[in-house]
Amino acid sequence: KAGVTQTPRYLIKTRGQQVTLSCSPISGHRSVSWYQQTPGQGLQFLFEYFSETQRNKGNFPGRFSGRQFSNSRSEMNVSTLELGDSALYLCASSLGGTDQETQYFGPGTRLLVL
Amino acid sequence: QQPVQSPQAVILREGEDAVINCSSSKALYSVHWYRQKHGEAPVFLMILLKGGEQKGHDKISASFNEKKQQSSLYLTASQLSYSGTYFCGTANTGNQFYFGTGTSLTVIP
Repeated sequence: KAGVTQTPRYLIKTRGQQVTLSCSPISGHRSVSWYQQTPGQGLQFLFEYFSETQRNKGNFPGRFSGRQFSNSRSEMNVSTLELGDSALYLCASSLGGTDQETQYFGPGTRLLVL
Repeated sequence: QQPVQSPQAVILREGEDAVINCSSSKALYSVHWYRQKHGEAPVFLMILLKGGEQKGHDKISASFNEKKQQSSLYLTASQLSYSGTYFCGTANTGNQFYFGTGTSLTVIP
């Protein structure tokens, strides 16, 4: 099976712009979670989608949003970018998103905001 | 709700042992351990469920004490390939995962 894929791998944006990141889960996986990774902060949970519905949401401002399509692919959008949004954004997929399942991570999208 | 990991960093010589701790202020339903090498995605190591069971994978094992809301990862006879950042991920109600800030482990010859 193909692993989790994320596009694009690298992005450079300027403050105030918006950005959309894409994540394709492993075939058959219906849960997709998004994380922000920055030095010193580790992996911060953004949100989790299951069957096109957002089930869980982390403590991030409303500028961060996402959605999931019927084929389980997910997108994450960040509007009005700030310098502090520079980070590695990882998505992870699992079969049903329960706490007893392995999450499989994609390679991430590295976002740089200038 | 982010779990706390200790130590933040450790340097080992090949063959030495290490313990990485993960503790949470919230009740835990499970603990996940991942390893991330520089520039790569985190890779799953193991999951521990409630019940205090200990799991192992090769020379890496872990324990989960749900009463103390703690988990520990044990690396014995470390190899160069063990180098990386280790994260514990904890899940409480709502299947929402929180990852610790990571422990950087470097194994030197």
